[in-house]
Amino acid sequence: QEKVQQSPESLIVPEGAMSSLNCTFSNSASQSIWWYQQHPGKGPEALISIFSNGNKKEGRLTVYLNRASLHVSLHIRDSQPSDSAVYLCAVGYNQGKLIFGQGTKLSIKP
Amino acid sequence: EAAVTQSPRSKVAVTGGKVTLSCHQTNNHDYMYWYRQDTGHGLRLIHYSYVADSTEKGDIPDGYKASRPSQENFSLILELASLSQTAVYFCASSDDTGGYAEQFFGPGTRLTVL
Repeated sequence: QEKVQQSPESLIVPEGAMSSLNCTFSNSASQSIWWYQQHPGKGPEALISIFSNGNKKEGRLTVYLNRASLHVSLHIRDSQPSDSAVYLCAVGYNQGKLIFGQGTKLSIKP
Repeated sequence: EAAVTQSPRSKVAVTGGKVTLSCHQTNNHDYMYWYRQDTGHGLRLIHYSYVADSTEKGDIPDGYKASRPSQENFSLILELASLSQTAVYFCASSDDTGGYAEQFFGPGTRLTVL
């Protein structure tokens, strides 16, 4: 059974600083890595995905994927209070299955 | 306009009772999923479906049944609700199962079994 582990469990970051979240997964045969954002009482929404080794940048978000070390990270530049949410790392496999990590609760302190 | 809707948004059920959670999507997606989320845990896949009138078991299917009567609708059925099934349930849809497709989630149903 594939596993996804996220760290840290919670993170407090000053407004305007960089937020860095980590995720490790157990199977290098994964096809995709997704980061979802979930606000309280809402369903998860996809933020960014990456399929190949390397990095991908979209606006204030950057994702780094290293399949050899089974590690992916999400970095949010210039963090804003509206970024406060739970961030879920999800690893995609065949048949559209997504395996989710337990989440990182991010709080941006004004 | 929300593309994945769920009903009810919250429900209180009694142990041993039958519970049906409903999901409707207007994305025109073929693939639909049911997940549960518990405090401190990520989402875990219960059942999924590739096409109407067909469902597949996910990672934690015990105690749950699923029904896909049409492309737009996907239901999760708890025949004999138990305390351990208290959780938030999410429905999702996607247009591909190749592992590369984004899944679009509904707002969730909070189920409390007493």
